[in-house]
Amino acid sequence: QVQLRESGPGLVKPSQTLSLTCSVSGVTISSFGNFWSWIRQHPGKGLEWIGYIYYSGSTYYNPSLKSRVIISLDTSRNLFSLRLSSVTAADTAMYYCARSSGQPNWFDPWGQGTLVTVSS
Amino acid sequence: EILMTQSPATLSVSPGEGATLSCRASESVSSNLAWYQQKPGQAPRLLIYGASTRATGIPTRFSGIGSGTEFTLTISSLQSEDFAVYYCQQYNNWPRTFGQGTKVEIK
Repeated sequence: QVQLRESGPGLVKPSQTLSLTCSVSGVTISSFGNFWSWIRQHPGKGLEWIGYIYYSGSTYYNPSLKSRVIISLDTSRNLFSLRLSSVTAADTAMYYCARSSGQPNWFDPWGQGTLVTVSS
Repeated sequence: EILMTQSPATLSVSPGEGATLSCRASESVSSNLAWYQQKPGQAPRLLIYGASTRATGIPTRFSGIGSGTEFTLTISSLQSEDFAVYYCQQYNNWPRTFGQGTKVEIK
């Protein structure tokens, strides 16, 4: 059974870089056909897809965040990471990682999420 | 980007009754639509994909229908564990986008 777990600092200062990791178990992250995404949810609000990385390492980002986002794979530790630069209070959100299998369509399963607050 | 609009924002239902949730896309997404359930403090859980296909382990009281721009999620005979927020998501266009959610609460 595939499981994902996010980790990283819960507090980031404005203008700094937010860095999160998503540890994956139950499947090899570099196995064929897997897309690994980051999705965030602002407090009390809806969901925003940030971007994905394919098992091969290719990426695709939401145009609204593209200039600030990097998603990468670490196959040695079976995890993938999110880096979001130049953060502001508007980046305060719950951050989830999730898998898409076969095509980057729907998301299943999701990690439990990690709350990141941007504040000085 | 495709805007997904869900209605109503909140739906008050008595246990055992049915609930009908709507999702509208700003342009056609064919049948490329998923539904998720999110309970407080939990991650979203996939319910439906392809507009009408239940995900593994999802009870048959959850059903989805629609194509193009109009979609419906129906929950027949609500159980206590069904009171949650429900989101739709399109995967026809980039970027993938979600609706703002419908909260199903106990009446």
